[in-house]
Amino acid sequence: NAGVTQTPKFRVLKTGQSMTLLCAQDMNHEYMYWYRQDPGMGLRLIHYSVGEGTTAKGEVPDGYNVSRLKKQNFLLGLESAAPSQTSVYFCASSYPGTGDSPLHFGNGTRLTVT
Amino acid sequence: EDQVTQSPEALRLQEGESSSLNCSYTVSGLRGLFWYRQDPGKGPEFLFTLYSAGEEKEKERLKATLTKKESFLHITAPKPEDSATYLCAVRLNRDDKIIFGKGTRLHILP
Repeated sequence: NAGVTQTPKFRVLKTGQSMTLLCAQDMNHEYMYWYRQDPGMGLRLIHYSVGEGTTAKGEVPDGYNVSRLKKQNFLLGLESAAPSQTSVYFCASSYPGTGDSPLHFGNGTRLTVT
Repeated sequence: EDQVTQSPEALRLQEGESSSLNCSYTVSGLRGLFWYRQDPGKGPEFLFTLYSAGEEKEKERLKATLTKKESFLHITAPKPEDSATYLCAVRLNRDDKIIFGKGTRLHILP
C-alpha cells in the first residue's frame, strides 16, 4: 500500500519556467490538499479539493493552479516560477471531513527556483 | 480570521523531563483538531484527532487534551527519539480547510 506518492522528489527551475507536481493516492480518499512548508512558516495551504472535478483556494493560492481530473490524482502547476516559490511542497489526502478524518501526507517535493 | 498558534517555537528538554506543548486556535467553527509529528525530510505523521472539549487521547508517552480555545500535547518522561517537530492543525467546519500552526521543535537531550 503506497499511500500518498509525490513526484518528483526534487526539482530545480529557472525563473519563468513552468512545471507540474503530481500527487497520487491509492486510499480512495475524497479530499486532497496541497501545502507548502518554509522555514519558520509551518505548513500553508495552497489549494485543496473535496472531490473529483472540484478545487478551492487555500491560504496562499497566488501563482499556483490545480486540477483534479481523477479522484486519485491532484496536480499542482506553476505557470511561471518565481524564487519566492522555492519551498518544500506536501500533498495530503483524507476521507470526507468528519471530525476523525486525519490527513495522510506524502514525503514532499523540494523545489528550488533560481 | 482563522488562526492556529503554537508555543513555544522550540523546546529543549533533558531525557525524562516532562513538559507540555500548547496549541491555541481562533476559528469560526471547529470540526476537529489534529496533532502531527514531523521528522526532518519527511512528511507529517498523524498522532491524534480531538473534536470535543474535554476529550483526551494517549499514545505511549504522549497525551493530547482539548478545551474550547486550546489543546495541549503532554510529553511524559521523554526519550531522545521523541525529538521532532510537533504540528497542530484544525479542520474548519464551514469549508473543510485544514490549517496548521507553525509547529514546536522539540529536542530531547540524552
